[in-house]
Amino acid sequence: ETGVTQTPRHLVMGMTNKKSLKCEQHLGHNAMYWYKQSAKKPLELMFVYSLEERVENNSVPSRFSPECPNSSHLFLHLHTLQPEDSALYLCASSHRLPEGTDTQYFGPGTRLTVL
Amino acid sequence: AQSVTQLGSHVSVSEGALVLLRCNYSSSVPPYLFWYVQYPNQGLQLLLKYTSAATLVKGINGFEAEFKKSETSFHLTKPSAHMSDAAEYFCAVSDPKGAQKLVFGQGTRLTINP
Repeated sequence: ETGVTQTPRHLVMGMTNKKSLKCEQHLGHNAMYWYKQSAKKPLELMFVYSLEERVENNSVPSRFSPECPNSSHLFLHLHTLQPEDSALYLCASSHRLPEGTDTQYFGPGTRLTVL
Repeated sequence: AQSVTQLGSHVSVSEGALVLLRCNYSSSVPPYLFWYVQYPNQGLQLLLKYTSAATLVKGINGFEAEFKKSETSFHLTKPSAHMSDAAEYFCAVSDPKGAQKLVFGQGTRLTINP
């Protein structure tokens, strides 16, 4: 596998279910991100992890719970979601540089549908 | 705070015609600027980026963009459109010295007419 991979690619869940999205990067990066892409809205940054520490939580509801066990893996745990949470969830990774931002590389996304 | 405005949510051009996708940004510091492309059912792929070196940036697939500080613009161009260019294009801005936050525009869907 190369680049950034995400599983599953598609997920349908009920509002009472618990599920997890997985992201894995094979680029040797040390920062990882979750984005939400909804129809007719700009991409929204949800979480940023740098060196496995959460450095950004962009006012995301607690029904979304991220986990970063190591620099290559990132999870997004989902529980009691709402239909408006249906979206494409994108994972990205980058180098964390002392002087700031480096290019982010994106995975293919997980298309989530909440019934 | 930084922001990006992409003028035109849909752009349609004929095959072989010039492609021009517009992006204006707002930033209190000299920014880094990016163009990403998203093909159907795929993630975002980096087309090109500006990081305060040359103002004319060349990217993949024949695309280029010019940073114009006086106009706060970073428009994306390609001299001759190809059917395979049909996709959604996103402009993004980040603070080079800050946290790793990309702020995206709302995207422009490019359609190529045969």
